[in-house]
Amino acid sequence: QSALTQPPSASGSPGQSVTIPCTGTSSDVGVSKFVSWYQHHPGQAPKLIIFEVSKRPSGVPDRFSGSKSGNTASLTVSGLQAEDEADYYCCSYTGSNNLIFGGGTKLTVL
Amino acid sequence: EVQLVESGGGLVKPGGSLRLSCAASGFTFSDYTINWVRQAPGKGLEWVSSISSNSNYIYYADSVKGRFTISRDNTKNSLYLQMNSLRAEDTAVYYCVRGASTCWNWGQGTLVTVSS
Repeated sequence: QSALTQPPSASGSPGQSVTIPCTGTSSDVGVSKFVSWYQHHPGQAPKLIIFEVSKRPSGVPDRFSGSKSGNTASLTVSGLQAEDEADYYCCSYTGSNNLIFGGGTKLTVL
Repeated sequence: EVQLVESGGGLVKPGGSLRLSCAASGFTFSDYTINWVRQAPGKGLEWVSSISSNSNYIYYADSVKGRFTISRDNTKNSLYLQMNSLRAEDTAVYYCVRGASTCWNWGQGTLVTVSS
């Protein structure tokens, strides 16, 4: 299966909101309740920030939110802060223990 | 605190072999599916392989099927990846990841470089 589609880059000024889309198909994102998002600062371990489409793990600020419509999932970061600058990856679980990741979006805080 | 610590990466020639290890702590290792996920230089994340809690279910990405073997030792809280017939395109940071449908925790990764 092909990787999920994300824009290579996104940007916003401090305090603004930015939304990162993740487009899949009716065989993965469209049918999966297990869509997750990860924040990755280069050189560090990736970190789970959204699971099961819209749920936040304990400790993740509510500035991060997730949603899904049809074959596209989205991550919204509100009230942008400098430390939000990182790479963000979406992921869909398709069964048979098969995880499909997006190509990643580099978020720049201007 | 959940910790996953990968080791065993390094430089290997095309066609060579390497065995990665992942030492887990801070959770009941034998209760969880564990994955290997990799990231090639300048590229995105790619799922490589997964193994269920009791090793009954094992899956591989098509790109590594027949060349890589995942295994675990629940008595040692350890995960392994035996990589044979390595290719240049296998060059990547390899992460050990806890979870089946969601990647709850990640290690820091170990770098594998396949080059002559």
